[in-house]
Amino acid sequence: GQNIDQPTEMTATEGAIVQINCTYQTSGFNGLFWYQQHAGEAPTFLSYNVLDGLEEKGRFSSFLSRSKGYSYLLLKELQMKDSASYLCAVSASGGSYIPTFGRGTSLIVHP
Amino acid sequence: EPEVTQTPSHQVTQMGQEVILRCVPISNHLYFYWYRQILGQKVEFLVSFYNNEISEKSEIFDDQFSVERPDGSNFTLKIRSTKLEDSAMYFCASSEASSGYYEQYFGPGTRLTVT
Repeated sequence: GQNIDQPTEMTATEGAIVQINCTYQTSGFNGLFWYQQHAGEAPTFLSYNVLDGLEEKGRFSSFLSRSKGYSYLLLKELQMKDSASYLCAVSASGGSYIPTFGRGTSLIVHP
Repeated sequence: EPEVTQTPSHQVTQMGQEVILRCVPISNHLYFYWYRQILGQKVEFLVSFYNNEISEKSEIFDDQFSVERPDGSNFTLKIRSTKLEDSAMYFCASSEASSGYYEQYFGPGTRLTVT
């Protein structure tokens, strides 16, 4: 089975930097995804990490440490529109890239 | 920009009734998926579909569920006899390939309410 843990809720200030952590325990590993989901909307893909290290994409970066079962999503220069749920998801091995989602972290950005 | 579309946006049905949820994946995509999200809970994988057959399915996807690609554009999820606990948002997604490097694009969802 798979177990994914991330904080339920975080708050941050507009213009600041926030780091959302995710830890996972899986029977195999085929990559880790981060998705953004605004309330009432569909998830949108942010990043995919399969190797250790940091992947940067604009204001968003994602880090992975496979040995520690740990990832984080870093959001820089926060904007009000970044208020959303951030979903950490892991795919197991065996050729499957289907993400198993965590419960998500609700990020509230305030002025 | 191409997008996945889903109809209807909201479906209300009585327990025991059959429902069909419809999706039009992005035209050059080959892999199709259904997920569901019960209100306030996590997104859960139901089934993936490639080359006109199911490639993976979860424990949720029991005999009450079926998928079909009836023509070159539509991808449908049928629930034969709905239960109260089937009430959820159902998302369709599609991707060019199955690798994690190929983003799954999600549709806007169909909110299914079973009364």
